[in-house]
Amino acid sequence: DAGVIQSPRHEVTEMGQEVTLRCKPISGHNSLFWYRQTMMRGLELLIYFNNNVPIDDSGMPEDRFSAKMPNASFSTLKIQPSEPRDSAVYFCASVRGVEYTEAFFGQGTRLTVV
Amino acid sequence: DQQVKQNSPSLSVQEGRISILNCDYTNSMFDYFLWYKKYPAEGPTFLISISSIKDKNEDGRFTVFLNKSAKHLSLHIVPSQPGDSAVYFCAASVYQGAQKLVFGQGTRLTINP
Repeated sequence: DAGVIQSPRHEVTEMGQEVTLRCKPISGHNSLFWYRQTMMRGLELLIYFNNNVPIDDSGMPEDRFSAKMPNASFSTLKIQPSEPRDSAVYFCASVRGVEYTEAFFGQGTRLTVV
Repeated sequence: DQQVKQNSPSLSVQEGRISILNCDYTNSMFDYFLWYKKYPAEGPTFLISISSIKDKNEDGRFTVFLNKSAKHLSLHIVPSQPGDSAVYFCAASVYQGAQKLVFGQGTRLTINP
């Protein structure tokens, strides 16, 4: 298996623009997580899905952030409009099932908003 | 609110000595704990875990200790090797509709030759 695949690896955008980050989880995994890595908070949980259904989005910092999982093999995290303080590395991770806790991470998307 | 805390942003250890990384948590409902290792420009990778019903789990050079009464866990690496230099994240899990995995801020470990 190719593992969790995120795209793009790097994104540079201007303030106010819409940004969409993409994630393909490992086939057969039921849960998907979006994290943001910052110096202050480490790996901050933004939202997670189980069987394509959002379970908890309390970590999404503002209404400018939204996430979808239209099917078991694809998820997006959208920021609209983007701001410089959104600059961070965003990670997607997937977990096989409810009884498992080992999450497999993608390589991340480094977002820079200028 | 930071439910999982790693209070040491960095740690420097001599090669061959023991590295001890610490982690505290606040939610007593957490039932599974994990350590992840992260190299630059890569995603975190799973290292070792422990269930809340145990107080120790060992895997080669890596041992995780859990003290539930103190809500504290630690990762011991012995002997430390230069390849262990990385950022280490502590994580805790609780079932809330799915296994919710919460991470700490990370500790940057540097192993000096």
